[in-house]
Amino acid sequence: ELKVEQNPLFLSMQEGKNYTIYCNYSTTSDRLYWYRQDPGKSLESLFVLLSNGAVKQEGRLMASLDTKARLSTLHITAAVHDLSATYFCAVDPSNTDKLIFGTGTRLQVFP
Amino acid sequence: DGGITQSPKYLFRKEGQNVTLSCEQNLNHDAMYWYRQDPGQGLRLIYYSQIVNDFQKGDIAEGYSVSREKKESFPLTVTSAQKNPTAFYLCASSRTSGRALGTDTQYFGPGTRLTVL
Repeated sequence: ELKVEQNPLFLSMQEGKNYTIYCNYSTTSDRLYWYRQDPGKSLESLFVLLSNGAVKQEGRLMASLDTKARLSTLHITAAVHDLSATYFCAVDPSNTDKLIFGTGTRLQVFP
Repeated sequence: DGGITQSPKYLFRKEGQNVTLSCEQNLNHDAMYWYRQDPGQGLRLIYYSQIVNDFQKGDIAEGYSVSREKKESFPLTVTSAQKNPTAFYLCASSRTSGRALGTDTQYFGPGTRLTVL
């Protein structure tokens, strides 16, 4: 059974600190997506990672992909309150745009 | 502005009733999708369509039906056969289907929150 696992599931961190969210998946996929969801809202696309070794950065967020290890990371640098949200990774194992989502990581940043 | 719209934002259903959720996009995207999200969970695929007049079941299609008569529209009907329909429903679209033309992320609508009374 295909699984996409994120950890941690919940993360409470202080402003200014760094942390990494991990996304492991159980089958071959060379495309990986990161999304952000604010409470009660829809999903916003953050990153699309298309190949092994891909790294993308936007502001305080940086995402990377290791297809051999079937692992993606979302690194948060010097967290600010505005980053508080739930973050989802998703893979497309069959290359048909059928995404399999992880369970999400709920991030809370406090002063 | 280009985007995806869903209506209604909130919907209440009585037992045994069919309801239809609307999804419209003006992004000229080929592919459209319906997902269900339960509280504290990820998204699960209900149905998807890669081209007009064609659609495929996702992982949890039982109790749901869709149509794709127009490129810009992909309505979802929640039938009385769906025993636990209370959830947040998200529609999405993407520019490409499959790998040949490169890839594109999926763009999501604002969602419809369905509650069974």
